[in-house]
Amino acid sequence: NAGVMQNPRHLVRRRGQEARLRCSPVKGHSHVYWYRQLPEEGLKFMVYLQKENIIDESGMPKERFSAEFPKEGPSILRIQQVVRGDSAAYFCASSPGQRRNEQFFGPGTRLTVL
Amino acid sequence: DQQVKQNSPSLSVQEGRISILNCDYTNSMFDYFLWYKKYPAEGPTFLISISSIKDKNEDGRFTVFLNKSAKHLSLHIVPSQPGDSAVYFCAASASGQNFVFGPGTRLSVLP
Repeated sequence: NAGVMQNPRHLVRRRGQEARLRCSPVKGHSHVYWYRQLPEEGLKFMVYLQKENIIDESGMPKERFSAEFPKEGPSILRIQQVVRGDSAAYFCASSPGQRRNEQFFGPGTRLTVL
Repeated sequence: DQQVKQNSPSLSVQEGRISILNCDYTNSMFDYFLWYKKYPAEGPTFLISISSIKDKNEDGRFTVFLNKSAKHLSLHIVPSQPGDSAVYFCAASASGQNFVFGPGTRLSVLP
């Protein structure tokens, strides 16, 4: 019963390094979403992808952040030249259909930037 | 500008009693609402949803009420159990757009 898997669960980076967060959706799900949760705040939508396509990246910062969901393999959220303000929990969710569907969340990756 | 608000950061309820979690929204275009539960170190888990064409949806111990004129929804849990202790997030979307989440309410059910 493989749900959404994210790795690593914890990631520590120094300022200026790159962070790569991976997400394997529920088997058979072709829709992936990335959210960021800052301390004491709710989840903020970042990007919505279908296989090989970015559908909506309206919540993604314009610089340093990118996401992909290749035909084979997990979805990757990449943060270049990390800054302290990037420290947060990053959650991935997947769904079998379009956005309205119930989204299944992974356990999250907690990124700490020193 | 918070479009989805959960004004109570925390709530404590005695086991067996009713828990009522509230959520207010500002965007009148929202037409689909969900509640998620989150335990520490885990991702959110879907609980229950409601479409704007309804004013109530029930699933076991969980009932969601929607008051469109007041732009308010609430989640009722009855009877509350210690295992219900978690952070509860309200989320809303408009016409299939992305979900907007509230900041969450931490529920503690006391034995």
